[in-house]
Order: sequence, then structure tokens, then C-alpha cells
Amino acid sequence: DQQVKQNSPSLSVQEGRISILNCDYTNSMFDYFLWYKKYPAEGPTFLISISSIKDKNEDGRFTVFLNKSAKHLSLHIVPSQPGDSAVYFCAASLNAGKSTFGDGTTLTVKP
Amino acid sequence: DGGITQSPKYLFRKEGQNVTLSCEQNLNHDAMYWYRQDPGQGLRLIYYSQIVNDFQKGDIAEGYSVSREKKESFPLTVTSAQKNPTAFYLCASSIAVTTQETQYFGPGTRLLVL
Repeated sequence: DQQVKQNSPSLSVQEGRISILNCDYTNSMFDYFLWYKKYPAEGPTFLISISSIKDKNEDGRFTVFLNKSAKHLSLHIVPSQPGDSAVYFCAASLNAGKSTFGDGTTLTVKP
Repeated sequence: DGGITQSPKYLFRKEGQNVTLSCEQNLNHDAMYWYRQDPGQGLRLIYYSQIVNDFQKGDIAEGYSVSREKKESFPLTVTSAQKNPTAFYLCASSIAVTTQETQYFGPGTRLLVL
């Protein structure tokens, strides 16, 4: 049973527009959520996170929204840039700190 | 520069052979992790270590072994018992295994079976 799901394997947007990446989770005990960005043949790099006590966290062009009642979080990138093209992983963690990752969404930003 | 290094970048394994993937960090992090990524899938946790001389099984530990004799090193051995070892292996570290931890990843090792 997959506890963290990213239902869209891919997303394509035009440069300058908003990118919205979605993530759903099943375990209501998750208390911390993270987004990672991964380029081909490289390790993921941390992008942004949010604690379960918040519903929004913003860092520059990146904003993460958390809806605990729906067990849903989303990453908004605005404006999108071609350099944002990568695979984005959603992750959730419990008090032990181990993160459970989704399968990833490949974002392509077209110039 | 602080960071995580993994070697080699590519590794070939023959049938029945054990191979060891190296992971070193100079971030002074207590916690280290090994993940496996298969095409189109997310990261699955193999083993993690919270402190030197301690490690715990993750979700897919069968066919793998680890050691943590030094804080900066967390090698992963893929044993012959792992029947489907072809994958991309990622090592990560974090300050500690707590709720609000950010993991820093190495560049990965791609393992291929001959």
C-alpha cells in the first residue's frame, strides 16, 4: 500500500505560467512534508518543506500548500522557468524521521 | 566543500557476486540512509543509521547489508541474495533522525547486472 502518491507522472507547462504539482498521502500521522527536485543521473536536492501545523509555506517562487483534512499537498511554482524542468518528489515523514517518497512527477517547462 | 560522495558512478555485478557501494559524508551528520530507485518509481528505503554502530532495516532490506563503523561512512553491500539488483542507488544523510529533517543526497550509483 503506497502511503504517498503522486498521481500525475508528468506535467508540461509554458514558461512564465504556474506549475502545480500534487501529492496525496494516506497516513494521518505524517507530521512533516518535503519536496525534492531531481535532475537526471543526480541525487535529489531539497526544495521546500512544511510542518503539519501549518497550511502554507513560501520560499521565493515556490509555495507548498497543505490540506490536512484532504490529506493533500501541492507545490506551486510561479513563474515557471525552463530550469525548473526536473522530477519532483513529494516526501512525508513520521516522528522517526524516515521519509516515505512518492513516485515523482516529471515537470517540463517549455520556453 | 561539504557534501556526500558516492562511488563508483556505475557498477557492474556478475551473477552470484557481492558488490559494495561506497557513501561518504563530511557534513558531520549523525543519520545516513540508503535508497533504491527503479525507473518511474519513487525512492524506497533500504537501510538507515541513526548513529555509529547502529543501523535499522528499511522497507526493502532483504538482500542488502550495511555497516556504520565511522560517522562519515555508510557502505552498502548488495549480496547475491538480491535477485533484482539493477537500480539507481542513492545515499543520503541528515543531521539526525528527527521529525524535521532535511536529507542531503549523494549523486547516486547505478548498478547493472552482467
